[in-house]
Amino acid sequence: EADIYQTPRYLVIGTGKKITLECSQTMGHDKMYWYQQDPGMELHLIHYSYGVNSTEKGDLSSESTVSRIRTEHFPLTLESARPSHTSQYLCASREMRGNTEAFFGQGTRLTVV
Amino acid sequence: AQKITQTQPGMFVQEKEAVTLDCTYDTSDPSYGLFWYKQPSSGEMIFLIYQGSYDQQNATEGRYSLNFQKARKSANLVISASQLGDSAMYFCAMRGDTGNQFYFGTGTSLTVIP
Repeated sequence: EADIYQTPRYLVIGTGKKITLECSQTMGHDKMYWYQQDPGMELHLIHYSYGVNSTEKGDLSSESTVSRIRTEHFPLTLESARPSHTSQYLCASREMRGNTEAFFGQGTRLTVV
Repeated sequence: AQKITQTQPGMFVQEKEAVTLDCTYDTSDPSYGLFWYKQPSSGEMIFLIYQGSYDQQNATEGRYSLNFQKARKSANLVISASQLGDSAMYFCAMRGDTGNQFYFGTGTSLTVIP
């Protein structure tokens, strides 16, 4: 069973608000990822990290930012939410070496009204 | 560039029958890993099975098996004895040597009919 947690599971928020989606893992994984997924669609990588103080942008342009101050914590922040940010956000982590699988959190379904 | 293609947007299978979900990939990396994930309507991604590019045998995990044909660059998922709980989206993914990212296909929606 994967030990990676996302909060909140569901969030409805007004336009212009600042929000932070939390992601924590207890597996000691160095690599962490944030994906954005519209319902029934493919996953798009928006941010990833190799370890503490490492953050990189993914293939999909995103107005969000991330930080990695601790190994276990990889929060994603939207400074000013817009309706176009409505989506599901999935956090994942994996070990640094080898072709190991990524473990996913349960996701955060964000609706911006 | 890495690319994963899933050409079946939706599939139906009778309960207790087997079903094959197609996945083809494109990569120039000599070493890579192929993964299948299941995503039920609740939204979480559940890892099912992994195949390494240098593995000689096809991977199997319970009712899941991966039909890996390296020359054809295909990694099809076979689910045997389908159950109603298998109804979900299924995603094929790849991780190559040159990057640290997982590349996902567009997914296949599987519906198991009683």
